Amino acid sequence: QSALTQPRSVSGAPGQSVTISCTGTGSDVGGYNYVSWYQQHPGKTPKLMIYDVNKRPSGVPDRFSGSKSGNTASLTVSGLRAEDEADYYCCSYAGETPWVFGGGTKLTVL
Amino acid sequence: EVQLLESGGGLVQPGGSLRLSCAASGFTFSSFVISWVRQAPGKGLQWVAAINNRGDGTYYADSVKGRFTISRDNSKNTLFLQMSSLTAEDTAVYYCAKRTSPLSPSFDYWGQGTLVTVSS
Repeated sequence: QSALTQPRSVSGAPGQSVTISCTGTGSDVGGYNYVSWYQQHPGKTPKLMIYDVNKRPSGVPDRFSGSKSGNTASLTVSGLRAEDEADYYCCSYAGETPWVFGGGTKLTVL
Repeated sequence: EVQLLESGGGLVQPGGSLRLSCAASGFTFSSFVISWVRQAPGKGLQWVAAINNRGDGTYYADSVKGRFTISRDNSKNTLFLQMSSLTAEDTAVYYCAKRTSPLSPSFDYWGQGTLVTVSS
């Protein structure tokens, strides 16, 4: 099972919005509404930010939103704040595998 | 409060074996699928293995199939990962991660990780 494709890096100024894409295939992203996103600060444990494509766990700011179209899922961070600077990973359920992660995207707040 | 606490990591020679443990608390351990996810130094996350709540269903990434065995002891709220025939490519921080719910195959809680280094 190949890893999902994410951009290596994205950046934005405080207050702006950025979108991170996550591209898979019909066997993972496109086949299930089970994409999740994780935030990881350096040296820290991953934190669930979005699950089931567009649901937010309790305590995650509504500045974080998720969507999906075909084989590509997206995470949008609105109203960028300094503390949003981190690595972000997408993950999709993939049936028999059954989980596959993306390679990760470094979000830089300028 | 949900807690997952990994242990058992360390330095092991290529071809060697190691057993990781993950002690869980703060939730009904026997009701949830638990996975191992690893992260090589400076690299991304990689799902490694998962086990269903009863312990009679296991799943593995192709890269570890036949070398790693996941198991659990629901009476002790503990997850295990027996690793054998280790290579340098297995060097990583190993996290245990709890599945969010039967309806959502995401991971809502993660342990702090335990580092496995395979080197001579």
